Amino acid sequence: QVQLVESGGGVVQPGGSLRLSCASSGFTFSTYDMHWVRRAPGKGLEWVAHIRFGGDNTHYADSVKGRFTISRDNSKNTLYLQMNSLRTEDTAVYYCAKDRGSWANHFDIWGQGTLVTVSS
Amino acid sequence: AIQLTQSPSSLSASVGDSVTITCRASQGISSALVWYQQKPGKAPTLLIYGASTLESGVPSSFSGSGSGTDFTLTISSLQPEDFATYYCQQFKNYPLTFGGGTKVEIK
Repeated sequence: QVQLVESGGGVVQPGGSLRLSCASSGFTFSTYDMHWVRRAPGKGLEWVAHIRFGGDNTHYADSVKGRFTISRDNSKNTLYLQMNSLRTEDTAVYYCAKDRGSWANHFDIWGQGTLVTVSS
Repeated sequence: AIQLTQSPSSLSASVGDSVTITCRASQGISSALVWYQQKPGKAPTLLIYGASTLESGVPSSFSGSGSGTDFTLTISSLQPEDFATYYCQQFKNYPLTFGGGTKVEIK
């Protein structure tokens, strides 16, 4: 079945880096846009980043622009989020999400999430 | 960025009740709005897209309406599995934005 599985979360100090991965299965990964969405403890959902199916176009939330980089490897059916210069306010569960269609910009399949904790 | 204001932020209701959640956009977004449900410890699930189209597999007790700046999600007869947090999300412009969420609790 269609599935997304995130990995790479953990505890990191402020200013540190972390790379999240999202392995996909059950659909043709290379034909769908993908996103990262996060939920900080006690808060609501926040969209983080988007990447086109071919990897040639990306968008970011202002809160992560210049610090986070979304990328993908279509040969490995995997999505990534490189997170640099991490701040305490980046602490959250990070979800990868499949776009419902080309430029649909809403999400029909979500992973189970991976927890990132930024703390000294 | 387009701001989405959901109300109420929480509500208490009984099984069988009908509930309505509203989502107001800070500028017109046509029908570029979706609704998600999220249960504790789980990923969100898509309920409604295009403001009013039910996602496949979602019970018909859920319905959405609205366009422009004002939208509603209605659950016509609450079931035990419907107690969750609900979010609206706009996809008119980047950055994509979510409402603050509405927690539906058991009375």
